[in-house]
Amino acid sequence: GQNIDQPTEMTATEGAIVQINCTYQTSGFNGLFWYQQHAGEAPTFLSYNVLDGLEEKGRFSSFLSRSKGYSYLLLKELQMKDSASYLCAETGKSTFGDGTTLTVKP
Amino acid sequence: NAGVMQNPRHLVRRRGQEARLRCSPMKGHSHVYWYRQLPEEGLKFMVYLQKENIIDESGMPKERFSAEFPKEGPSILRIQQVVRGDSAAYFCAVAAAAQETQYFGPGTRLLVL
Repeated sequence: GQNIDQPTEMTATEGAIVQINCTYQTSGFNGLFWYQQHAGEAPTFLSYNVLDGLEEKGRFSSFLSRSKGYSYLLLKELQMKDSASYLCAETGKSTFGDGTTLTVKP
Repeated sequence: NAGVMQNPRHLVRRRGQEARLRCSPMKGHSHVYWYRQLPEEGLKFMVYLQKENIIDESGMPKERFSAEFPKEGPSILRIQQVVRGDSAAYFCAVAAAAQETQYFGPGTRLLVL
């Protein structure tokens, strides 16, 4: 199977940095997506990692280690609007984690 | 969502009725994925289609659910004889090719009374 594990909830302070981890089973792995989903809305694409290393895109960065079956999403300079669910997804079987609900507090 | 259309946005059905959910990808995106999301839960893969072909339906319930993506027109997810447990948000996502970025439509919220 393609089990994906990520923390259920996280809380951080406005202006801070937060790292959301994701682990997955490596068999049949192709690549890893991160999506953001606000309550009642559709997921929106954040990043896609295929190779090992860090991909930076503005305040958001995503890291992948294929050998360890591990990824993280790094959010810098947190804003209140970053409060949302963050979904880690593996492309081989279109498997999504259950999401990490991030709450940003003033 | 890069132009992915889904309709209807909200659908109310009584138990036993049929629900038809439509997904219209933007041009150049012929790979369609359907997901179901129950309240407070994650996205669950249902089926992957690529113009007229079902590529992977491993996430589809064996009964009452079917999907198609005809040569012309939108992809359709059909739920027959709906039950209350079918109440959920149904999202389609489209991609230009296999394993490429999936862009989600706004979803259809199905409520079964």
